[in-house]
Amino acid sequence: AQSVSQHNHHVILSEAASLELGCNYSYGGTVNLFWYVQYPGQHLQLLLKYFSGDPLVKGIKGFEAEFIKSKFSFNLRKPSVQWSDTAEYFCAATVYNAGNMLTFGGGTRLMVKP
Amino acid sequence: EAQVTQNPRYLITVTGKKLTVTCSQNMNHEYMSWYRQDPGLGLRQIYYSMNVEVTDKGDVPEGYKVSRKEKRNFPLILESPSPNQTSLYFCASSSRTSGRPYEQYFGPGTRLTVT
Repeated sequence: AQSVSQHNHHVILSEAASLELGCNYSYGGTVNLFWYVQYPGQHLQLLLKYFSGDPLVKGIKGFEAEFIKSKFSFNLRKPSVQWSDTAEYFCAATVYNAGNMLTFGGGTRLMVKP
Repeated sequence: EAQVTQNPRYLITVTGKKLTVTCSQNMNHEYMSWYRQDPGLGLRQIYYSMNVEVTDKGDVPEGYKVSRKEKRNFPLILESPSPNQTSLYFCASSSRTSGRPYEQYFGPGTRLTVT
């Protein structure tokens, strides 16, 4: 079955530390990949997405992600986190032409200490 | 303003009492979906709709019903809620015609508690 895995469930960092959140998917075909962020008490917002082309994708708020096809990975990175990045982060994937079937990972809860 | 709205935002109910959570979008999107979010499990898709009168099951459809009579609305119906349906529910919509078919826009969420 198709799945998305996020291996870090909870991450605690100090401000200015670098961030990398892991995401692996199990799809065999052409995939579309997403990172969503959910700030406390708010709904999901799209951080960035990968459809095709340059595997290094830049999103909002200084986030980026790299699609590595050989590793089935789409890790999220940020060089220097801020307290305001405290949130839960979700990786998601869908197979091209699979309609609306978006599969989410279990989420990573990030806490940034001031 | 382009948005997905859900009502109610919070709901406490008792086992077996039928309820409906409404979802509406003003972006003329073809696709709409319902998800539930549970700790450690991320978001799991309940049902989705590719257009009016076209609905299909997601990963966890048991205990839920949906309908899509109008393009903008996609209500989620719990005919006989049970405590294991206590969760945070999100509605989402997306368009295929924009060239970005799978970018989904999420509603604010509905926190449901079934006692």
